[in-house]
Amino acid sequence: DTAVSQTPKYLVTQMGNDKSIKCEQNLGHDTMYWYKQDSKKFLKIMFSYNNKELIINETVPNRFSPKSPDKAHLNLHINSLELGDSAVYFCASSRDSYSSGNTIYFGEGSWLTVV
Amino acid sequence: KQEVTQIPAALSVPEGENLVLNCSFTDSAIYNLQWFRQDPGKGLTSLLLIQSSQREQTSGRLNASLDKSSGRSTLYIAASQPGDSATYLCGSNTDKLIFGTGTRLQVFP
Repeated sequence: DTAVSQTPKYLVTQMGNDKSIKCEQNLGHDTMYWYKQDSKKFLKIMFSYNNKELIINETVPNRFSPKSPDKAHLNLHINSLELGDSAVYFCASSRDSYSSGNTIYFGEGSWLTVV
Repeated sequence: KQEVTQIPAALSVPEGENLVLNCSFTDSAIYNLQWFRQDPGKGLTSLLLIQSSQREQTSGRLNASLDKSSGRSTLYIAASQPGDSATYLCGSNTDKLIFGTGTRLQVFP
């Protein structure tokens, strides 16, 4: 069974559209994250939720809105997509937040291409 | 602000060689440091996690060391194999996990 699963794996969409990426973890973890990996392979955190509460919100345009309906799910909704949003988006989870020093588990990524 | 640097950016070695990947970070107040492997088109797989109180961790042919005072970690891979070919990322954990840009490793037969 996949521990952290995200859908869709590939998404091609036009500029200006609104799209969502879904993420689910079956590890019983309390904390979930969204990371963005750009074309230069640089991986950077976007958001972190602990027990459905937002705890990290990096400098991300407010067109990006995470939603955590329960602690096993963290979805990412993107409004008014722009060309620069093209990237690979990774969902991840850990038992607790960063300070507890737990291993972080990543999903396989969602490849978003905006045309 | 934490900055993480990985050297070299790319490495190509023949099978069987022992090799060292380097990771340096600017803020030594870390909770832990984690090494990951990323295969093309895939997510990240955790290899080793070293807590701030530890000096090293080992798993099979992999050994990771941590020197907080100098802001350095190394990943040692013994007897490299073609299956080790991947990008290796280190992430330093302060109040969030900050990644280096990775070392792209190719091991040829």
